[in-house]
Amino acid sequence: DAKTTQPTSMDCAEGRAANLPCNHSTISGNEYVYWYRQIHSQGPQYIIHGLKNNETNEMASLIITEDRKSSTLILPHATLRDTAVYYCTISGGYQKVTFGTGTKLQVIP
Amino acid sequence: DGGITQSPKYLFRKEGQNVTLSCEQNLNHDAMYWYRQDPGQGLRLIYYSQIVNDFQKGDIAEGYSVSREKKESFPLTVTSAQKNPTAFYLCASSPWTDSNQPQHFGDGTRLSIL
Repeated sequence: DAKTTQPTSMDCAEGRAANLPCNHSTISGNEYVYWYRQIHSQGPQYIIHGLKNNETNEMASLIITEDRKSSTLILPHATLRDTAVYYCTISGGYQKVTFGTGTKLQVIP
Repeated sequence: DGGITQSPKYLFRKEGQNVTLSCEQNLNHDAMYWYRQDPGQGLRLIYYSQIVNDFQKGDIAEGYSVSREKKESFPLTVTSAQKNPTAFYLCASSPWTDSNQPQHFGDGTRLSIL
């Protein structure tokens, strides 16, 4: 399984953009990058995913580098409710996903 | 509303007893998964099932068993062979297609062994 590397923790001021990086240097050509977040004691929530093009939805934007070895999740205007652990994962067509320890994002008032 | 239901939310059992965690989904998803999460750690895959009556071991299957008799249900049994069963257990589901779809998670069951 492809593995990902994320910073352990990050802080972001409320109202500012939160940029969460992820390295996935062993990603294969048919594997997608997925982002989930987990608020304390709840199940992870899907945020966004992409293959090689940048993606945007109502929650966030995903920027994938041209070589696909890294990506950045952008929360454009972070709120206190965005405080959570964010997981970057890699998944191929067989859907077996490996979750690392994620990035703990703390949004500061 | 469609979703995944895990029950119970909290479960206490005596050491040496088997315990079964329930997971039901009404999303019509083919694939279902069980993960274990320890404090401050990521998710580790226990078992997954792509289709009814078929399932595969994940990374930490020892001491666990599953069944998939119905598309909607994927119960997990934590057996007495599991040396350290106290953890947060998460169930997920997804469509099993080549187009890659995200997993949907339940809210978990917190198991404590007394």
